[in-house]
Amino acid sequence: KQEVTQIPAALSVPEGENLVLNCSFTDSAIYNLQWFRQDPGKGLTSLLLIQSSQREQTSGRLNASLDKSSGRSTLYIAASQPGDSATYLCAVRPLNQAGTALIFGKGTTLSVSS
Amino acid sequence: DVKVTQSSRYLVKRTGEKVFLECVQDMDHENMFWYRQDPGLGLRLIYFSYDVKMKEKGDIPEGYSVSREKKERFSLILESASTNQTSMYLCASSRGRIKYNEQFFGPGTRLTVL
Repeated sequence: KQEVTQIPAALSVPEGENLVLNCSFTDSAIYNLQWFRQDPGKGLTSLLLIQSSQREQTSGRLNASLDKSSGRSTLYIAASQPGDSATYLCAVRPLNQAGTALIFGKGTTLSVSS
Repeated sequence: DVKVTQSSRYLVKRTGEKVFLECVQDMDHENMFWYRQDPGLGLRLIYFSYDVKMKEKGDIPEGYSVSREKKERFSLILESASTNQTSMYLCASSRGRIKYNEQFFGPGTRLTVL
């Protein structure tokens, strides 16, 4: 069964740093991978969607890469700001699991200090 | 912009009560989903629907039912609420072919069952 892992669970950085969040998944048979942001007590905001045929997607200061064969994705945040503080979740859409939509990791909670 | 709304941000109910959680999306999306999110367990899929009056069980459907009478509205029903259903409930929707498209989430409903 597909499992998604995000390491580290928490990360603290000073403002201005470039940082990388990691996501790994056990089964490379996926349609796509999606990165979300969640602020405390709120819903999820979609950041980037990478289809299985793509290698990366970019939006502003965010860049997500996908290496399907090794079961890895990274979310790169450039020039971090205090407003980037949130929990970041990755999720995959499996090819072979009927009745299931997205499989989520447990998230990385990012804190950016000014 | 896609907008997914949920009827309540916070809800407190008693054990044994029947509970309705409502979700509405305004982008004519075919697919709608209900997840619950718990600390240490992450997001887990309860039910989803890919068309009006259609529903499919997710990973944890026990104790829940759903209703989709109109395309824009997807209701989650707890027939007899129990304390282990205290959780954050998140609704999501997506367009068209279920496996390829981005999911958009609502703000969540924090349900407490006493």
